[in-house]
Amino acid sequence: GENVEQHPSTLSVQEGDSAVIKCTYSDSASNYFPWYKQELGKGPQLIIDIRSNVGEKKDQRIAVTLNKTAKHFSLHITETQPEDSAVYFCAASEGSGGSYIPTFGRGTSLIVHP
Amino acid sequence: GAVVSQHPSWVICKSGTSVKIECRSLDFQATTMFWYRQFPKQSLMLMATSNEGSKATYEQGVEKDKFLINHASLTLSTLTVTSAHPEDSSFYICSPRDRYYEQYFGPGTRLTVT
Repeated sequence: GENVEQHPSTLSVQEGDSAVIKCTYSDSASNYFPWYKQELGKGPQLIIDIRSNVGEKKDQRIAVTLNKTAKHFSLHITETQPEDSAVYFCAASEGSGGSYIPTFGRGTSLIVHP
Repeated sequence: GAVVSQHPSWVICKSGTSVKIECRSLDFQATTMFWYRQFPKQSLMLMATSNEGSKATYEQGVEKDKFLINHASLTLSTLTVTSAHPEDSSFYICSPRDRYYEQYFGPGTRLTVT
C-alpha cells in the first residue's frame, strides 16, 4: 500500500518568514495530493490540492509543488502569520473514484511567532 | 461550501457504557463515509469506510463489533463505541465524500472514557 513520509514534524518560524513542509510517497500510481490544516480541537480542512498532471499550484500565500519522478510534493506558505499556526497534513491517493482512499502523513506542527 | 456537523463535540462516559457519535453532511450527499481516530499529536488513522446502505469495511485491527458504524442515509452516519474502555479515549472524526469524490471532514468528537 501507499506510504507517506512527512517532514519536519515541527516547524517554528517568525512571522513574515516562509515555511516549507515536504512529503514523499511510495506508490507511483498515486495521482491526487491534498493538504489539510488542522487547528487544535477541530477537524482537518482542505487548504490546497494538486493532481499529477500539474507541477505547481498556487492560492494566494500557499502553493504546492509536485515532482512525480522523485515522488515528492511540498507545501509552501509565504509571509506567514500567527493564524497559520496549526498542524498540517499531507495525503496521497490514487484518485480513481471509488477506490480512492487517501494515506496521510504524520503531520507537521507549524508555529508562527509574532 | 460543504458543511459537516458532528455531535456531540465532546463526551465523557464511564467505562462499560456505549456512546453514539452522529455525523451529518448538511448541504451535500455523502455517498461514502470515512471514520478516523486520532490520538494526541498523531495522524489520522482510518477506522472504517462505509457506503450508503452497505455494511462498513473495517481496517485491520479495528473491531467491528466494538465500533458499530451505520450509514443509513446519504446525509447521516453514526459511530457507536460499545462497552467503552479508557483506551478508547480519542478524537473521532468523520469524513464524508460526495459523488464527485471530494472529501470533507467533520469537526471531530473528543471522547473521554473514565
